[in-house]
Amino acid sequence: AQKVTQAQTEISVVEKEDVTLDCVYETRDTTYYLFWYKQPPSGELVFLIRRNSFDEQNEISGRYSWNFQKSTSSFNFTITASQVVDSAVYFCALSGSGTASKLTFGTGTRLQVTL
Amino acid sequence: NAGVTQTPKFQVLKTGQSMTLQCAQDMNHEYMSWYRQDPGMGLRLIHYSVGAGITDQGEVPNGYNVSRSTTEDFPLRLLSAAPSQTSVYFCASSNRGRSGANVLTFGAGSRLTVL
Repeated sequence: AQKVTQAQTEISVVEKEDVTLDCVYETRDTTYYLFWYKQPPSGELVFLIRRNSFDEQNEISGRYSWNFQKSTSSFNFTITASQVVDSAVYFCALSGSGTASKLTFGTGTRLQVTL
Repeated sequence: NAGVTQTPKFQVLKTGQSMTLQCAQDMNHEYMSWYRQDPGMGLRLIHYSVGAGITDQGEVPNGYNVSRSTTEDFPLRLLSAAPSQTSVYFCASSNRGRSGANVLTFGAGSRLTVL
């Protein structure tokens, strides 16, 4: 069975601070895919990134960066110089190959960025 | 291009009533699915479909029914609503059904309350 753990239920930071959201996963598949989605207060789900299990390169996109480490089964997400607009619930998710896009989600981390 | 459209956005039901949550996508996506989101539990897969005429159960299928008569539509039916089905429901689609790599496009969500 697959499992995704986001141990941080809620994080509060002041604007311009850096913040890291943790994601730990469990799977028996050798090929799998990891995702991060953002859910702003308006409620929609916004795709942020997908990472393949065979590609451990870290990725940076503007103020966002992702650190994928197979050795620790982690796929952590860092926001540099956080902004109020980053306030949202962030979900980490996992799917196996050939599983018809069946995502297993973590319970989410609520990020509150204040001035 | 509307993407994934869910109706209604809000619905209040009494225990035992039936209703259908509608989901339509205009992207010619093979794969469609329904998730429910509950506080502290992330999103959980209810049912999914890899193409017209093909449906399968997800993690929490009990109390829900689906069918896929066209590529565009994937309605979710509650035959006899229960308070435990109070939740926010998300429909999602992706362009290739048989790969866990696919990125899901989500609808805006439907908030259902069962009294």
